[in-house]
Amino acid sequence: DTGVSQDPRHKITKRGQNVTFRCDPISEHNRLYWYRQTLGQGPEFLTYFQNEAQLEKSRLLSDRFSAERPKGSFSTLEIQRTEQGDSAMYLCASSLGPGVEETQYFGPGTRLLVL
Amino acid sequence: AQTVTQSQPEMSVQEAETVTLSCTYDTSESDYYLFWYKQPPSRQMILVIRQEAYKQQNATENRFSVNFQKAAKSFSLKISDSQLGDAAMYFCAYRSAYGNEKLTFGTGTRLTIIP
Repeated sequence: DTGVSQDPRHKITKRGQNVTFRCDPISEHNRLYWYRQTLGQGPEFLTYFQNEAQLEKSRLLSDRFSAERPKGSFSTLEIQRTEQGDSAMYLCASSLGPGVEETQYFGPGTRLLVL
Repeated sequence: AQTVTQSQPEMSVQEAETVTLSCTYDTSESDYYLFWYKQPPSRQMILVIRQEAYKQQNATENRFSVNFQKAAKSFSLKISDSQLGDAAMYFCAYRSAYGNEKLTFGTGTRLTIIP
């Protein structure tokens, strides 16, 4: 079991550029989550997938954000026309779910800095 | 909407001593799950302990235990025999049992271990 992996670990971009992050969940985990964590705060939910279906999106996920999980395996999170306020740590988690005792396992995160 | 409050931004404890981290939450639901996650510096978030609201018995995991007071909506974490490796940010999190799978986190408590 290799754990949840995320790529890249760090990304610096200029305002207005597009960025894409990738998350590889633990194999056989059906559920995949994206969270955003800003400095000094706890993670905030963005969206989650059950296999390839995106089941819920937070109001934090503006039209500039899009997430996909083709074939129910890895997921990508794209931010278009980045703004300085998008600077944050983007965390991915996966779980075996559905189940009442599912545990979400987190990846190391992608730290985004928008200049 | 559910909220999670951690009123202690920072705590410190002498190595080998016991420390308690506080967490309160607000919900109108009767069934839910509560979690403590640990986020070491520059490392990924890991689950420390989990509590199901329908269980009256407090969860324990080795040196970690919780004091779950459902009526008071309180969920504190006790760390016994503190070790240097316990130094981290600790986040309290809530998850509904009614199909909404997201975790709602508090703002975290930074725990320092004094040698």
